[in-house]
Amino acid sequence: DAGITQSPRHKVTETGTPVTLRCHQTENHRYMYWYRQDPGHGLRLIHYSYGVKDTDKGEVSDGYSVSRSKTEDFLLTLESATSSQTSVYFCATRPSGGNTEAFFGQGTRLTVV
Amino acid sequence: AQTVTQSQPEMSVQEAETVTLSCTYDTSESDYYLFWYKQPPSRQMILVIRQEAYKQQNATENRFSVNFQKAAKSFSLKISDSQLGDAAMYFCAYSPSGNTPLVFGKGTRLSVIA
Repeated sequence: DAGITQSPRHKVTETGTPVTLRCHQTENHRYMYWYRQDPGHGLRLIHYSYGVKDTDKGEVSDGYSVSRSKTEDFLLTLESATSSQTSVYFCATRPSGGNTEAFFGQGTRLTVV
Repeated sequence: AQTVTQSQPEMSVQEAETVTLSCTYDTSESDYYLFWYKQPPSRQMILVIRQEAYKQQNATENRFSVNFQKAAKSFSLKISDSQLGDAAMYFCAYSPSGNTPLVFGKGTRLSVIA
């Protein structure tokens, strides 16, 4: 299995506070992604990275920012958490694009109260 | 933008029977890849099977097989001899060639009845 670790695994935070989720990989994969999973919506892409310091927005990027200063780490920040950002967040990696599968972390359940 | 549609939010199957999960996608690309992922209650995302669009032969992995109809843009998953451990959420995903991220459908929750 690909070594992808998300931290924390669970978090409860208050509305208006900043939150950072971390994704760490040991596979030296080039591409990294943040998705959120909500009932009835499947997995939706928030942001992704195609290399160190190279990132781009996904379909639900509002209210989120990312950073990738090293190949192995991809951080997702909620600048000011809102209740609509209560979700399960998944990090995924791919060695390259196209035909390669995506490998997923265990997910982070975030609750904003 | 590419979209992936899974029209069955929930399905159920008797143990040992066969079930087919539907997936359609929209794309103008000719070269792309399709995947089915399984998400059991543990929440872990597990690759079940993949299909390259340039291959006419349908992919098969043990009890799992696909019916890939490129012209119809359809990619269904057939699970034969269903087992209790097959109960999970199943996601269909599309990936064009190149660097574009995977696009997922909304998922189908499969229940297996003993």
